[in-house]
Amino acid sequence: GEDVEQSLFLSVREGDSSVINCTYTDSSSTYLYWYKQEPGAGLQLLTYIFSNMDMKQDQRLTVLLNKKDKHLSLRIADTQTGDSAIYFCAERASNYQLIWGAGTKLIIKP
Amino acid sequence: ETGVTQTPRHLVMGMTNKKSLKCEQHLGHNAMYWYKQSAKKPLELMFVYSLEERVENNSVPSRFSPECPNSSHLFLHLHTLQPEDSALYLCASSQDGGGGEKLFFGSGTQLSVL
Repeated sequence: GEDVEQSLFLSVREGDSSVINCTYTDSSSTYLYWYKQEPGAGLQLLTYIFSNMDMKQDQRLTVLLNKKDKHLSLRIADTQTGDSAIYFCAERASNYQLIWGAGTKLIIKP
Repeated sequence: ETGVTQTPRHLVMGMTNKKSLKCEQHLGHNAMYWYKQSAKKPLELMFVYSLEERVENNSVPSRFSPECPNSSHLFLHLHTLQPEDSALYLCASSQDGGGGEKLFFGSGTQLSVL
């Protein structure tokens, strides 16, 4: 079946870059998303990428998509304490529903 | 006023209780969703309503009963729950409900079943 996989934790030092990785299985996905969940809050859409793109940049965020390997990554430059959150990868599957990963908890060390 | 509001924020209930979760969206969207979030697991889609009609029910046990009286309000009625139902229940809304478009989430109700 369709599956989205992410590491559960990532620890980085403040000021370094964070790279959160995700793999998915549905090769016909049209959109891939990154959502952010801060403590005690719901999920917020952070960014998304169309499947016909390789890269999308938005300020400190860079999304890279490797369709051949079905690999998606989110890079956060100059990571700040406010970036502490759980980051969810999701793909829009061929039946138009969202398939979610389990989330990667980003831990920032001073 | 945030876009999607859920109440209560926290709920503790016994297995024989009946309670309801409430969600309200102020975004003029036509679709609303219930998700279950358990630690270290992917989000589980429970129910989808589009224009107040249920369009998706992912084999959720009957002890969870949704209600969508209008496009702005969504309820999840709970009865005779099990301890494994303890989780964060998230409500979301989207413009059309075709699936996969931008979702707006509430802050969730943290449910503990004793």
